[in-house]
Amino acid sequence: ILNVEQSPQSLHVQEGDSTNFTCSFPSSNFYALHWYRWETAKSPEALFVMTLNGDEKKKGRISATLNTKEGYSYLYIKGSQPEDSATYLCAPRFGNEKLTFGTGTRLTIIP
Amino acid sequence: NAGVTQTPKFRILKIGQSMTLQCAQDMNHNYMYWYRQDPGMGLKLIYYSVGAGITDKGEVPNGYNVSRSTTEDFPLRLELAAPSQTSVYFCASSSTQGYNSPLHFGNGTRLTVT
Repeated sequence: ILNVEQSPQSLHVQEGDSTNFTCSFPSSNFYALHWYRWETAKSPEALFVMTLNGDEKKKGRISATLNTKEGYSYLYIKGSQPEDSATYLCAPRFGNEKLTFGTGTRLTIIP
Repeated sequence: NAGVTQTPKFRILKIGQSMTLQCAQDMNHNYMYWYRQDPGMGLKLIYYSVGAGITDKGEVPNGYNVSRSTTEDFPLRLELAAPSQTSVYFCASSSTQGYNSPLHFGNGTRLTVT
């Protein structure tokens, strides 16, 4: 069983503030890391797929970095808006195995 | 484009009953997956398929069966429902099993077994 940890489990952020959270995973045999955004009563939607050490992806106010050597990825949200409220899932992939999903960081933006 | 369509959205079963959760995708994706989501747990893979006629077990396959007779459809069968199968079920598809292909999820089926 591969241990994927996301921290914090939940987070409340004032509208307009920036925030970040972490996905930690075993660094050996790493292939790729997926980030998904999951709004309440909807289905998860892909944000990023990252494969290379040092990779940085950006989509609007959301960006992510990847460190495959130490086994972590950060997701950043700049200038949080109420529509950013969601659970953010990370899912690394190792070798030929399927994605292993973390339990997510639940983000609530306070207007 | 409808993407990934799951039916039904909600279902209540009695212990021992059977049902099929339907999943269809219109993106011509080869790879399809069934996940379950339990409170406080990450998405757990039940079964997956790499193409029509090919299926394989995931992390938590016990109590479930699947078939993949066409590229579009990937139904999940519960033969003898148990309370432990109360969960939210998500079907997903991807264009390849390559590590750079994101998953496209359906809207989920909330199943309660009482």
